Amino acid sequence: GQSLEQPSEVTAVEGAIVQINCTYQTSGFYGLSWYQQHDGGAPTFLSYNALDGLEETGRFSSFLSRSDSYGYLLLQELQMKDSASYFCPQSGAGSYQLTFGKGTKLSVIP
Amino acid sequence: GAVVSQHPSRVICKSGTSVKIECRSLDFQATTMFWYRQFPKKSLMLMATSNEGSKATYEQGVEKDKFLINHASLTLSTLTVTSAHPEDSSFYICSARSRVGLAGETQYFGPGTRLLVL
Repeated sequence: GQSLEQPSEVTAVEGAIVQINCTYQTSGFYGLSWYQQHDGGAPTFLSYNALDGLEETGRFSSFLSRSDSYGYLLLQELQMKDSASYFCPQSGAGSYQLTFGKGTKLSVIP
Repeated sequence: GAVVSQHPSRVICKSGTSVKIECRSLDFQATTMFWYRQFPKKSLMLMATSNEGSKATYEQGVEKDKFLINHASLTLSTLTVTSAHPEDSSFYICSARSRVGLAGETQYFGPGTRLLVL
């Protein structure tokens, strides 16, 4: 399957909606997580999808389509504090390890 | 939510010395902890997986004799960078695995330790 891929950078306006896409490796895939990391900080867990469909947590939603090896993170009502890097590490069946890609740097502008 | 701490947050040391970094799960038991390394504006690179009471499993290319990992209890794992050199300067982050509700295989990350070797 293809490697874990995300856009390297995304810019969006405060108050808008932004979608960050992620395609992952199909071999041994078990689930897809989303983490937020501010500059100089540690990753913070946002959501996890193991089954197809949408998971909603406040302003953030995450979607997974196993048939398309694809997922996305949807951020609504963007705030300046949402400016950060977003990672979609995948986990494998029988393994608790997360495989991280290069992440997407989101910049929210006024 | 689950809290993971790391100590120290920053350390500066001379080349050739050893540095120990502690990772603690504060409000849950972590049977598995992970150690990552991250270079500026880069992804997290998994260094090793640490299971309580057993030897750590190192990723390919990571020297186990240089990066000593001890997972002595369900709440503490330590990473010791032995004979540190300037190329070991990096941001080291630990995480602990927690099965929390329906969140699946969630990992909770510590705040990281920034190591600078002079």
